Amino acid sequence: RKEVEQDPGPFNVPEGATVAFNCTYSNSASQSFFWYRQDCRKEPKLLMSVYSSGNEDGRFTAQLNRASQYISLLIRDSKLSDSATYLCVVNRRSGGYQKVTFGTGTKLQVIP
Amino acid sequence: EAQVTQNPRYLITVTGKKLTVTCSQNMNHEYMSWYRQDPGLGLRQIYYSMNVEVTDKGDVPEGYKVSRKEKRNFPLILESPSPNQTSLYFCASNSSPGLAENLQETQYFGPGTRLLVL
Repeated sequence: RKEVEQDPGPFNVPEGATVAFNCTYSNSASQSFFWYRQDCRKEPKLLMSVYSSGNEDGRFTAQLNRASQYISLLIRDSKLSDSATYLCVVNRRSGGYQKVTFGTGTKLQVIP
Repeated sequence: EAQVTQNPRYLITVTGKKLTVTCSQNMNHEYMSWYRQDPGLGLRQIYYSMNVEVTDKGDVPEGYKVSRKEKRNFPLILESPSPNQTSLYFCASNSSPGLAENLQETQYFGPGTRLLVL
C-alpha cells in the first residue's frame, strides 16, 4: 500500500462549481501535511499547509482528519485558472530527520 | 529573487554517456533533495542532503550519485544513464536542516529537467 494515496482523476468540473479532493495516508506517525499545486510540466508550488483545526485561504479550505488519516482540499467557485494537478504531501520523522512523501496527484480540469 | 535553478532544462542523451544535472539555490538553505516524477508514480525522492558533505539515499537512489561540497549546490550525477532513467527531475530545497522539529517547513522546487535517454 502506498504511504500517500490520491484519486488521480481527472475531475472535470464547470466554472463556478465546488470540488473536493481527498488524500489518505497510511503512517499514523505523519505529522504535517500540505497541498501543492503543479501546473502541466512545471514545478510543484505550495498551495497551503493543512492544520488540525482546518484552515481556509480565500476559496480554498483544507481539513485534516487524524482519526481516519485523511486530508481534504475544497475549492469553491472554481476558476479556469484552478486547472492543475493537486499534490498531497505528508511529512513525518524518520531517524531524527523529516521524511517527505508526495501523493501522485489529482488532476483538475475546470471547464468553461 | 529567491530561487532554485537547474541546468540543463532539457537533455537528450544516449545510454552510458555520463551526465550531470546541476542544482543551485540562493536562499542559504541547508536541506536539498532530488526527485524524479513519472506518470502514475508521482514524485519520488532520489537523494537528499541535510548539509554540506551530508547526503543520504531516498526512495529510488539506484543509478544516481550526488555530492554536496558547497551549501548552495547539489548536482545529480548519472554515471551510466539508461532508458529507464528517462524522466522529469526536480531539485528542491528548504531552510530546515531536516530536523523533525521543523516539519512545517515547505520545499521550494527548481523548474525541472526533462531527460530523455535513448
